[in-house]
Order: sequence, then C-alpha cells, then structure tokens
Amino acid sequence: GQNIDQPTEMTATEGAIVQINCTYQTSGFNGLFWYQQHAGEAPTFLSYNVLDGLEEKGRFSSFLSRSKGYSYLLLKELQMKDSASYLCAVWDTGTALIFGKGTTLSVSS
Amino acid sequence: EPEVTQTPSHQVTQMGQEVILRCVPISNHLYFYWYRQILGQKVEFLVSFYNNEISEKSEIFDDQFSVERPDGSNFTLKIRSTKLEDSAMYFCASSDDRGGEKLFFGSGTQLSVL
Repeated sequence: GQNIDQPTEMTATEGAIVQINCTYQTSGFNGLFWYQQHAGEAPTFLSYNVLDGLEEKGRFSSFLSRSKGYSYLLLKELQMKDSASYLCAVWDTGTALIFGKGTTLSVSS
Repeated sequence: EPEVTQTPSHQVTQMGQEVILRCVPISNHLYFYWYRQILGQKVEFLVSFYNNEISEKSEIFDDQFSVERPDGSNFTLKIRSTKLEDSAMYFCASSDDRGGEKLFFGSGTQLSVL
C-alpha cells in the first residue's frame, strides 16, 4: 500500500524558518515532490528529489533520505504570502503522483 | 509560461445528471491526469492517460467515470450519473514525462452536485 504522512498544521512568524516533515511508505519510488497550494487554487510545483540529499532553490530547500522514507521542506525568511498548504507527493511505480494530506502553514506577523 | 486550462471554473448539476469537465493540457505534453479534491481533504488521483488510452486508474475511477481525448488539444472527464459525493474540485494536470517530471495543474473545476 501507500502511506504518506505529514503534520496537519504548523504556525510560524514572519522572517522565521520552518521545516515541514514528510514520511512515506510506498511500493516503489521514482521521486518525491513538494507542492504549494493556496486555498481554492491549484497545487504549484516547488521541488523535486530523487536522490538523497538537499536541493536548494532560493528560500525553499527540500531534503530526501530514501533509506528512511523521509523528506522535509525547509522554508526560510518566511513571508505572509507563504501561508498555504504544502503537499508532499510521491511517484511510486505507477504513472500517478500520490499526495499526502498536506500541511497547512499559517504565517503571522 | 505555458499553462493547463480548464473549463468551466464552476459547474452546478443535479444528482443523476451527466457532466463533462474540459481541459486543454500544455501542447507538447504527452501525459494527462485527472485529480480531485473534496473540500478540506487531500488531492486524490483519479486517472492517467497516455497515447490515447488509460495508463492507470484509482479505485475512485469507477464505471461512472470516463476520459477522452476527442481531438489534438482537449482532454475531458465525464461523470455519467453524478452523486452528491462527487462534489469536489477537479484538477486536470499534464506532464511531458511519466515519472521524475513535475505535473502542471490547471486551476480546477469546482463541481457541486445538488
């Protein structure tokens, strides 16, 4: 089966750093994605990891450990506009990207 | 940046009616997908489509659902006889590779079944 777990909610303040964790158990693995979704909108791509290690992209970084079935998304210098849901998604052996339930991040001033 | 377009943005229908949700994927993409998201819940995979046939479908995608690529640009999802529980946001997505490639999502069709 497939299971992707991430915290339901997180809060942080502007300018801070927040780490959103994701653990997964899937039958296969072809990559892990992070998407951002603002309320009522479509998911938009943030990052992709297929090999172990850290991928950095501006204020956002994503880490993967395949042996642990673990990833995190790191958001630095938080801004109010970063308030959104962050979706962890895994591509297993099929043709579909499977999403976790998402973590709703609230950034306050 | 090229985008996936979906129409209509909102669809209201009566239970038991047929609906067709329309999508225009990015023009050079080869793989097409439908996902749905019930309010407050996760994004759920419905079906993937490649080379004019279904590649994979989830258990949600039962006989009430069908997909079609009627011409070179459109990709449609048909729900034959809608149920109350079909009320959700339906997202179309496309990619130019099966795996290891990001999906581009359309802005969605909010389907309300009354």
